[in-house]
Amino acid sequence: GAVVSQHPSRVICKSGTSVKIECRSLDFQATTMFWYRQFPKQSLMLMATSNEGSKATYEQGVEKDKFLINHASLTLSTLTVTSAHPEDSSFYICSARRLGGPGTDTQYFGPGTRLTVL
Amino acid sequence: SQELEQSPQSLIVQEGKNLTINCTSSKTLYGLYWYKQKYGEGLIFLMMLQKGGEEKSHEKITAKLDEKKQQSSLHITASQPSHAGIYLCGADVDNNAGNMLTFGGGTRLMVKP
Repeated sequence: GAVVSQHPSRVICKSGTSVKIECRSLDFQATTMFWYRQFPKQSLMLMATSNEGSKATYEQGVEKDKFLINHASLTLSTLTVTSAHPEDSSFYICSARRLGGPGTDTQYFGPGTRLTVL
Repeated sequence: SQELEQSPQSLIVQEGKNLTINCTSSKTLYGLYWYKQKYGEGLIFLMMLQKGGEEKSHEKITAKLDEKKQQSSLHITASQPSHAGIYLCGADVDNNAGNMLTFGGGTRLMVKP
């Protein structure tokens, strides 16, 4: 099956620093990748939709200047949390959309990245 | 590891018909989420179930978690074309790395007008 990786799996940083999270589709090309965050015992919340070669589309309430998304290639999207603060501590998950034949459209999820901001 | 199995994998129903999607876990579920994915878009959160026997409804969609907390069902009444999409169940996995999610394989629903 299709594999999506995320790096790093865990990161701890100091308040005010920036953190980059990578999302890679390992064996397929993903024109669209999605970024989610999840707080403990809460559902996933879609943050943004990332399309290769174009600007990401952010959900309402998500600061685009704080959560920078770059989708430079068909296999890599990055999320950079700029000037991180403790309230940014969360679990971030990406998914990659794989296009198959007619009628197919599947998302594959990465394993997630746990960010802790001290 | 916790595995979630969804059934059926795909479903085609006539508009107006009722349908049920099941999500079965190999382990006790401590947080079960239902999501819907419209084709080409991100996940939309539908409902979260935590307690055995719990049932929640949103418009024409009802989700239940069984008493043993190992199976959940999603029921749509009088389906409409707008219900079409991929339905995913997800569950919390408590591990040393903190909360993580595992997902079922998804159920692709098509509703014929």
